[in-house]
Amino acid sequence: AQSVTQLGSHVSVSEGALVLLRCNYSSSVPPYLFWYVQYPNQGLQLLLKYTSAATLVKGINGFEAEFKKSETSFHLTKPSAHMSDAAEYFCAVSEGQKLVFGQGTRLTINP
Amino acid sequence: GAVVSQHPSWVICKSGTSVKIECRSLDFQATTMFWYRQFPKQSLMLMATSNEGSKATYEQGVEKDKFLINHASLTLSTLTVTSAHPEDSSFYICSARDIRAGTDTQYFGPGTRLTVL
Repeated sequence: AQSVTQLGSHVSVSEGALVLLRCNYSSSVPPYLFWYVQYPNQGLQLLLKYTSAATLVKGINGFEAEFKKSETSFHLTKPSAHMSDAAEYFCAVSEGQKLVFGQGTRLTINP
Repeated sequence: GAVVSQHPSWVICKSGTSVKIECRSLDFQATTMFWYRQFPKQSLMLMATSNEGSKATYEQGVEKDKFLINHASLTLSTLTVTSAHPEDSSFYICSARDIRAGTDTQYFGPGTRLTVL
């Protein structure tokens, strides 16, 4: 079975600073990988997805993620944090038609 | 785009009553939809996979007689919480699987907060 590990349940950065949210997966075959964002009391919004094309994936709101097979990682980054980026972020890996989610990382932005 | 709606966004009911939650894919057809449950400050827990025209597949530990799922059309799946009790209070989120143009992506609804008194 697939598994996803998000290092750091809570990340805090200053406005304008680099955002780095870590995600490692376990998979014996090339996976589909996703990052979703959840704002309070809302559903999940797709940020970006990796589907075995380019290893550097650009998403919405200035986020991007790089697939590194050798490290089994799919870390999410944004060069400059904005207050509106404060939310819960989930990394997920496909397992058949299902998704396996990480535990989530709460991102806090300090003014 | 791929938009998924849920209705209602929140519901309060008395213990022992049943509650129906609707999940609709608005701009694409979805043969497969998923129902999740989310507890405060936790990740999503998959409850069941809803397949159009067939019975839902429930995850281990999920009571299928309590959480009835119907996927009668390519754009609508419903989750009915039967004889609800306070421990069923939670945030329920659905997703619809989009496989158009070779992609395979789940798009999520905005969620339904259920409070059982």
